[in-house]
Amino acid sequence: DIQMTQSPSSLSASVGDRVTITCRASQTISTYLNWYQQKPGKAPNLLIYGASSLQSGVPSRFSGSGSGTDFTLTISSLQPEDFATYYCQQSHSTPYTFGQGTKLEIK
Amino acid sequence: EVQLVQSGAEVKKPGESLKISCKGSGYSFTSYWIAWVRQMPGKGLEWMGIIYPDDSDTTYSPSFQGQVTISADKSISTAYLQWNSLKASDTAMYYCARSTGTFEYWGQGTLVTVYS
Repeated sequence: DIQMTQSPSSLSASVGDRVTITCRASQTISTYLNWYQQKPGKAPNLLIYGASSLQSGVPSRFSGSGSGTDFTLTISSLQPEDFATYYCQQSHSTPYTFGQGTKLEIK
Repeated sequence: EVQLVQSGAEVKKPGESLKISCKGSGYSFTSYWIAWVRQMPGKGLEWMGIIYPDDSDTTYSPSFQGQVTISADKSISTAYLQWNSLKASDTAMYYCARSTGTFEYWGQGTLVTVYS
């Protein structure tokens, strides 16, 4: 199985901050990497697919980059609605594993 | 509009059986895989397996192989997740999602609580 490791596990930041979350795969996955946002009591929501493509309807302050084994999700200017938990997920091969999540909290 | 609507919350005792459902609409149900994802209380997302409703081709995560059964009835555009003998550790939220490897559409989740 491909292991996905996110860092940090939690992060405190303020509205307007620029935030970066990283995700590392245990083997190369090209750009088969997706990012999701999950708010309490809700299903996850796809933000980024193919490592860097913005899902329709997602604000442009979200961006993704990387290929191979190292990936990043960046939020350019945090908004109040962005405080949530973020997960990376590889879609290179089954089982389609998720990272352990990064909880983004208000400072 | 693509929708995945899951069955309602369940409360069961250890050893009981259970089958939860996920009904797709607004797209060709037989043309996309359906995935099941577990989220234990306060924990992260775990991919359980996928099914292709057109021919019921199924792949399980090794972690869930033999623990659950994934099935589908394409005539009613519904996928299922089934347990033969529930354990307390099966207590979790279970989500279905339309899968291309990427999970673009999700169901609202089914909360399964197992306690004696």
